[in-house]
Amino acid sequence: KAGVTQTPRYLIKTRGQQVTLSCSPISGHRSVSWYQQTPGQGLQFLFEYFSETQRNKGNFPGRFSGRQFSNSRSEMNVSTLELGDSALYLCASSLAPGSYGYTFGSGTRLTVV
Amino acid sequence: AQTVTQSQPEMSVQEAETVTLSCTYDTSESNYYLFWYKQPPSRQMILVIRQEAYKQQNATENRFSVNFQKAAKSFSLKISDSQLGDTAMYFCASPDSNAGGTSYGKLTFGQGTILTVHP
Repeated sequence: KAGVTQTPRYLIKTRGQQVTLSCSPISGHRSVSWYQQTPGQGLQFLFEYFSETQRNKGNFPGRFSGRQFSNSRSEMNVSTLELGDSALYLCASSLAPGSYGYTFGSGTRLTVV
Repeated sequence: AQTVTQSQPEMSVQEAETVTLSCTYDTSESNYYLFWYKQPPSRQMILVIRQEAYKQQNATENRFSVNFQKAAKSFSLKISDSQLGDTAMYFCASPDSNAGGTSYGKLTFGQGTILTVHP
């Protein structure tokens, strides 16, 4: 059974550009969450999606957006990149929000130069 | 809203010995859950153990156990017979709870403790 797949693994972007990160959950999982991990701020919650609907949103500026497709795959987009957006972005999936069995992917390492 | 605090940025232990990682939290909820996650160099977060607040018995998973002190809002992780593969960053975490129920998809994490197991 394939795990949570995040693509790409590594990404280098220039300040001002936009970026889209992808997360494919475990087959059958319908709930997807995103987190940003930085050395200074640690792990911070970004979004939570279930059945294509955003259930929760963290305290991030509007430059950060996300969506979930009918096949449960999710994408997050960051527009007008800033140096401070450099981070590891982690995705996690589960059958439903009420299930504690969230499985994390290995993340996408975004570097903004 | 939950807050989670880990006061030990780094810890080290010799192989086969026991180590305890500390975590304190704050919540206004009466029923809640607490987790310990492990993040090895591969970057993937792995659930180590979970504790339900209404259960007085401390959770145990093989070599991993917790010391849950509800009144003190303390949730420490004990690793017995430490192995080299236990080297990782460990995070204490709590899911968001509100009137709509508990959402395990929205976790509040502590700052993490880097654990190094030496041979």
